[in-house]
Amino acid sequence: NAGVTQTPKFQVLKTGQSMTLQCAQDMNHEYMSWYRQDPGMGLRLIHYSVGAGITDQGEVPNGYNVSRSTTEDFPLRLLSAAPSQTSVYFCASSYSGGIRETQYFGPGTRLLVL
Amino acid sequence: GDSVTQMEGPVTLSEEAFLTINCTYTATGYPSLFWYVQYPGEGLQLLLKATKADDKGSNKGFEATYRKETTSFHLEKGSVQVSDSAVYFCALLGSSNTGKLIFGQGTTLQVKP
Repeated sequence: NAGVTQTPKFQVLKTGQSMTLQCAQDMNHEYMSWYRQDPGMGLRLIHYSVGAGITDQGEVPNGYNVSRSTTEDFPLRLLSAAPSQTSVYFCASSYSGGIRETQYFGPGTRLLVL
Repeated sequence: GDSVTQMEGPVTLSEEAFLTINCTYTATGYPSLFWYVQYPGEGLQLLLKATKADDKGSNKGFEATYRKETTSFHLEKGSVQVSDSAVYFCALLGSSNTGKLIFGQGTTLQVKP
């Protein structure tokens, strides 16, 4: 199993550009989520999905869109990038999001918005 | 709401020193508690977890005990190595939010030879 994979590893955008961060998992996990990591703030939840066709907002959803058309993929879209979105983005998955389950993280995408 | 507080870093130790990284939490109900580690340039890896009170999680020489009476989950290791240099995150998974991990701010550990 490849686990959780993310592409690209690094991206530079100009303010106002759009892009999609890709996330895929091959563990047949129903639950997937996106976090952003900023210095001194730990990780904060952006959006999550409990299964194909179902998504919901997390703690910091503004400026981001998601969709879940398949169990394997959970892309994160930035519609109009802003410097405040400069961050490291992590995708995570678990079997069902249950309270005793371990969540598995991807390697991250480092995004710089100029 | 639920929250996690970790001791601020960086923590700098000599090889073979004893490590403690403090973590306390606030949560309703009975959350699960986790320690994740992030090595330089990498993603987060689960280090250990505990899913109920008095449980002890352990892995790679690291230990943490879920103390409900003190709402704590301190990370300890008896003898650190240079290879343990990383950022350590304490996190909780509460019963009120589906799958939402609440993270502390992270503690950077530097181990010198």
